[in-house]
Amino acid sequence: EDQVTQSPEALRLQEGESSSLNCSYTVSGLRGLFWYRQDPGKGPEFLFTLYSAGEEKEKERLKATLTKKESFLHITAPKPEDSATYLCAVQATSDYKLSFGAGTTVTVRA
Amino acid sequence: DVKVTQSSRYLVKRTGEKVFLECVQDMDHENMFWYRQDPGLGLRLIYFSYDVKMKEKGDIPEGYSVSREKKERFSLILESASTNQTSMYLCASSFWRTPLHFGNGTRLTVT
Repeated sequence: EDQVTQSPEALRLQEGESSSLNCSYTVSGLRGLFWYRQDPGKGPEFLFTLYSAGEEKEKERLKATLTKKESFLHITAPKPEDSATYLCAVQATSDYKLSFGAGTTVTVRA
Repeated sequence: DVKVTQSSRYLVKRTGEKVFLECVQDMDHENMFWYRQDPGLGLRLIYFSYDVKMKEKGDIPEGYSVSREKKERFSLILESASTNQTSMYLCASSFWRTPLHFGNGTRLTVT
């Protein structure tokens, strides 16, 4: 069974204070690792897909990286609008569905 | 842009009631999914469908059923609602193995 563990559960940052979120996973053949952002009262919004170890993707202040066992989401110089819950999910090569972690809730104070 | 629409944002039902949650997508996606989201547990897959009239059990199908009579519509049915089914329910769709697109969820309270 695919397993995804995210840490920390919650992260409080000062505006401009860079940090990283961790997503460790076990899957029987990784097809892709996905990062989503979820705002309160809304559904998850797709951010990135990573397919192979060493791959990196960037979007504004966010950068996602992938190794064979984990992924990191780096938030550089965050702003209050980056406050959200960030979800990590994996998709096995044999599958259409995604298996999700419990998420990291990020709060950025001005 | 893909739009996944869930018919209700909030629902309050009584224990034992039959509950229908409806989801419609407008991008002709083959795959549709129902997840529930609970604090500390993340998103857990209830059922998914990769074609009309096809369905597959996810990780937590007990107490639920689904219906997919048309490609764009995927319904989640709680045959006899119980208090432990109080949750946020999220519908999603995708084309083949592309990223899932989610609706904004239905927050169901069973009293």
